[in-house]
Amino acid sequence: DIRLTQSPSFLSASVGDRVTITCRASQDINNFLAWYQQKPGKAPKLLIYGASALESGVPSRFSGSGSGTVFTLTISSLQPEDFATYYCQQLESYPLMYSFGQGTKLEIK
Amino acid sequence: QVQLVQSGAEVRKPGASVKVSCKASGYTFTRYEINWVRQASGQGLEWMGWLNPNTGNTAYAQKFQGRITITSDTSKSTVNMELSSLRSEDTAVYFCARASDYTQFAMDVWGQGTTVTVSS
Repeated sequence: DIRLTQSPSFLSASVGDRVTITCRASQDINNFLAWYQQKPGKAPKLLIYGASALESGVPSRFSGSGSGTVFTLTISSLQPEDFATYYCQQLESYPLMYSFGQGTKLEIK
Repeated sequence: QVQLVQSGAEVRKPGASVKVSCKASGYTFTRYEINWVRQASGQGLEWMGWLNPNTGNTAYAQKFQGRITITSDTSKSTVNMELSSLRSEDTAVYFCARASDYTQFAMDVWGQGTTVTVSS
């Protein structure tokens, strides 16, 4: 099974900061990598799919990059509504299996 | 609008089973796969399984093999997830989420979540 490890697990930042979250896969995942944002008591929200494609309606301050085993989510200028927990997720096609990173909690400094 | 609406909260005793439903609307039901993901309180997201409503094919996480069954009723645009032999560790919020090749199988629409509590 492919494991995803996110870093950092906790991140404290201020409004206007640029932040980057990293997701490392235990083996090459062919860019089947997505990023989600989750706020307390809510379902996750898709931000990025295919490692770098921005989901419709998601602000352009969110961007994804990477390939192979190392991927990043960058928020160019933090807004108050961006403080949440972020998860990366990958898909293995055979056997079909999804897995998530452990999450990164982004808090206000 | 596109939405997935899940059934209400459930309370079960250890050893019992629970069935959670997920009703789709606003899109062609058979065009998108449905996943089930759960989240224990204060914990991360855990993928449980997947169903293709067009073919009826399923795939389950190894952790839940033998205890989980995902089915669909195309006439009602509904996918059901049944989990058996419940234990306290199964207490969690259960989400359904759709995926397709439009988003390289990332999950773009989620249900509101169903709280399942397992307690004696």
